[in-house]
Amino acid sequence: KAGVTQTPRYLIKTRGQQVTLSCSPISGHRSVSWYQQTPGQGLQFLFEYFSETQRNKGNFPGRFSGRQFSNSRSEMNVSTLELGDSALYLCASSLAGVKGQETQYFGPGTRLLVL
Amino acid sequence: DQQVKQNSPSLSVQEGRISILNCDYTNSMFDYFLWYKKYPAEGPTFLISISSIKDKNEDGRFTVFLNKSAKHLSLHIVPSQPGDSAVYFCAASEFNDMRFGAGTRLTVKP
Repeated sequence: KAGVTQTPRYLIKTRGQQVTLSCSPISGHRSVSWYQQTPGQGLQFLFEYFSETQRNKGNFPGRFSGRQFSNSRSEMNVSTLELGDSALYLCASSLAGVKGQETQYFGPGTRLLVL
Repeated sequence: DQQVKQNSPSLSVQEGRISILNCDYTNSMFDYFLWYKKYPAEGPTFLISISSIKDKNEDGRFTVFLNKSAKHLSLHIVPSQPGDSAVYFCAASEFNDMRFGAGTRLTVKP
C-alpha cells in the first residue's frame, strides 16, 4: 500500500508570493491533517479535512487555507508569504480522523523556504 | 497555546542504557497519548500509544507511562540502540484534535 505523498518536496518562494502544497493520503483514508514544523515549536496543527469538509482548525491566520477533493487528496495554500512561514509542512492521513484511537500516517513533508 | 510540552530539547545516552523522554500536558480532556519518532528528511512515524484509562503500555523495548494526576507521561527505551537516535514527539489527542510537543532529540552513542 502506497504511503502518504507530498509534493513538492522543496520550495523556495519570496515574501508576498503565494504557495500551494499537495498531499495524497493513503488509499481509503478520508481524514487529512496538516501541520507546520519549525525548530523549537514542534508540530503545530493547521487544519483537518474529512470528506471534503474542514472539521478542525488550529490557531493560524487566514492566510493559511486548505481544501480536500472527493478523492481525499488535499491541498493547502498560503497567501502573502512571510519570512516566518519558512517551515516543514507535514500532512498526515488516517481512516476516520479519530486521533489517538487510530494511527496517523505522515508524509515526508514539503520544506518551504521564504526569502 | 502549548498544551503539550517537552521541556528537554535534547538527550544523550550510551548504547545499552535506558533512555527516558518526558512530556507534560495541560488539557485534562485528552484521552489518548502517543509518541512519534522522526528521522531527518522523513515524516514522523507512530511508535507507541496509551489510553487515558491505563497507566502503562509496553511494546518490546518501548514502554510509555502515564501519570494522569500529574498530567505527565514518559517514554522509556531499554536498551537504547544507536538506531534509536531521532527526534521524538509526544502527542495528546481528544477525538479529532491532536497536539504535539516540540520534540526531544535523542542521541544514542555507541
